[in-house]
Amino acid sequence: NAGVMQNPRHLVRRRGQEARLRCSPMKGHSHVYWYRQLPEEGLKFMVYLQKENIIDESGMPKERFSAEFPKEGPSILRIQQVVRGDSAAYFCASSQREVWNEQFFGPGTRLTVL
Amino acid sequence: AQSVTQLDSQVPVFEEAPVELRCNYSSSVSVYLFWYVQYPNQGLQLLLKYLSGSTLVESINGFEAEFNKSQTSFHLRKPSVHISDTAEYFCAVSNYGGSQGNLIFGKGTKLSVKP
Repeated sequence: NAGVMQNPRHLVRRRGQEARLRCSPMKGHSHVYWYRQLPEEGLKFMVYLQKENIIDESGMPKERFSAEFPKEGPSILRIQQVVRGDSAAYFCASSQREVWNEQFFGPGTRLTVL
Repeated sequence: AQSVTQLDSQVPVFEEAPVELRCNYSSSVSVYLFWYVQYPNQGLQLLLKYLSGSTLVESINGFEAEFNKSQTSFHLRKPSVHISDTAEYFCAVSNYGGSQGNLIFGKGTKLSVKP
């Protein structure tokens, strides 16, 4: 039973490019969460999604960031026109609908913006 | 608003010594409490959690944490640490009955176990 999968593990982009981060939840999990970890900081909640629905995006920056979790396929976190301050580790977590409070984390995508 | 404070950013200890990693939280509502561990270049793994019931919770690898409502604390302890416990530990809270998605994390404590 595979865990939460994230790809790519490392992503390098130049300023102004787009970054797409993918997350495949654990089998049977219908809830996906995205968190960002800046250097020397804890994880900060960004967005919570269920299939085809954004439930809570209170932690998402107002501009350039978007997330989706389509009916088929992985969840995508998209960052347009990246800036150096977007450099961070982005973690995805998933949970079962019935056990929302136990979130299983993926290995993360480390984004570096040059 | 909720917040989590982990007072110690780094804790060096010798192997087989006891350790306590401190966590305090602030919240105006009831909360769930969690400890996660992050090994180098890996994602977070749930170590233990408090949802309700007994205030003392244990993990399978010898860690325990006690929920103290009056002191708003959830300190993590282990009576005898191993080299393999070297990792970063994060305390987190979420609202009881809240949006069911928003874990709030502390800044983490790096535990370094020396031989």
